[in-house]
Amino acid sequence: EAGVVQSPRYKIIEKKQPVAFWCNPISGHNTLYWYLQNLGQGPELLIRYENEEAVDDSQLPKDRFSAERLKGVDSTLKIQPAELGDSAVYLCASSLGSHTDTQYFGPGTRLTVL
Amino acid sequence: SQQGEEDPQALSIQEGENATMNCSYKTSINNLQWYRQNSGRGLVHLILIRSNEREKHSGRLRVTLDTSKKSSSLLITASRAADTASYFCATSGGAGGTSYGKLTFGQGTILTVHP
Repeated sequence: EAGVVQSPRYKIIEKKQPVAFWCNPISGHNTLYWYLQNLGQGPELLIRYENEEAVDDSQLPKDRFSAERLKGVDSTLKIQPAELGDSAVYLCASSLGSHTDTQYFGPGTRLTVL
Repeated sequence: SQQGEEDPQALSIQEGENATMNCSYKTSINNLQWYRQNSGRGLVHLILIRSNEREKHSGRLRVTLDTSKKSSSLLITASRAADTASYFCATSGGAGGTSYGKLTFGQGTILTVHP
């Protein structure tokens, strides 16, 4: 069974540029998560989807971040415009059912904003 | 914000020794999970312990949970160099709390196992 797929793995951009990350969850997993992980820290939830509905986006900085999960499968996370402080690893995870289930993580996208 | 606090922040041991990592949390939980993260990789789920469980085993892993003290420990027995990684505890909030519906991670323990 294929795991969670993320692309790109690495991205370097200049500040004020837009950037997008893509995630393909494990087939059949209804719940999808985007996390931000700063160096030396644990992941912090940005947004959680159940199917195509964003059920928790309270930690998503909505002035510059947006996300979508069309058809309840793949998801994209966008930052526009990027700031220096956005440099981090962006992790996608999925779980079969509710948030209390085991979450399976992708390898992450390491973003560097110059 | 991160609910869990892990202790120690870093642990260095020799192959064959046991490694113990502790996690404390603040609010009521539904379950507590431990994850491993190798450098530059995503997180891998190790074990889940529910709030009504006290101890769980999986291979060389032993997890305990004390809800009265709001703490958990992860024991890795007979450690190997391949166990070198960061280990995170994560809590799934209980009903009625502000953390309900979220998996909240601690800052992690960096484990180094020397061959």
